[in-house]
Amino acid sequence: QKEVEQNSGPLSVPEGAIASLNCTYSDRVSQSFFWYRQYSGKSPELIMSIYSNGDKEDGRFTAQLNKASQYVSLLIRDSQPSDSATYLCPRGQLTFGSGTQLTVLP
Amino acid sequence: EADIYQTPRYLVIGTGKKITLECSQTMGHDKMYWYQQDPGMELHLIHYSYGVNSTEKGDLSSESTVSRIRTEHFPLTLESARPSHTSQYLCASRGGAENIQYFGAGTRLSVL
Repeated sequence: QKEVEQNSGPLSVPEGAIASLNCTYSDRVSQSFFWYRQYSGKSPELIMSIYSNGDKEDGRFTAQLNKASQYVSLLIRDSQPSDSATYLCPRGQLTFGSGTQLTVLP
Repeated sequence: EADIYQTPRYLVIGTGKKITLECSQTMGHDKMYWYQQDPGMELHLIHYSYGVNSTEKGDLSSESTVSRIRTEHFPLTLESARPSHTSQYLCASRGGAENIQYFGAGTRLSVL
């Protein structure tokens, strides 16, 4: 089963800064990669999916995938306090990593 | 938008009661999952299913059972609830062209 490692957290950034979150994978089989966001007390929601090497942008969010390095990152530009949440990478198709807790300070 | 529903959203019951947490999805997904999550902690997989009449236990030892008689329905049953079962239970399904996993809103269970 794929193992995934995330940023050691938690991560705090000031409002307006770029937040950078990372996941690395230990297998070379994965073809699809996802980022989920979970607010405290809520269920996870998908915010980005990426399948090809390179960058994928959606508003203030950019996912970067490097399959050769087994590395996927999420950049949040112009971070807002409303971005404060835990960001999760799936661990295969069954489980998730512990996530990175992001706090954006006003 | 995800069409996956969990009921009830909140449940407070006494020790020893039998309860069933409901989960339904209208997306036609074959794969469905149950997770348990305590506040501030990671998701723990307790059961999953890859289709009708298919159920498997997850990583977390659980005293619950599941059934998958219909594609759209994946209920979780606790035969005898205990205070240690107090937690949030999240149901999810996966499918579609992009094989994305969607979550229900969750059931917050308190066992007194």
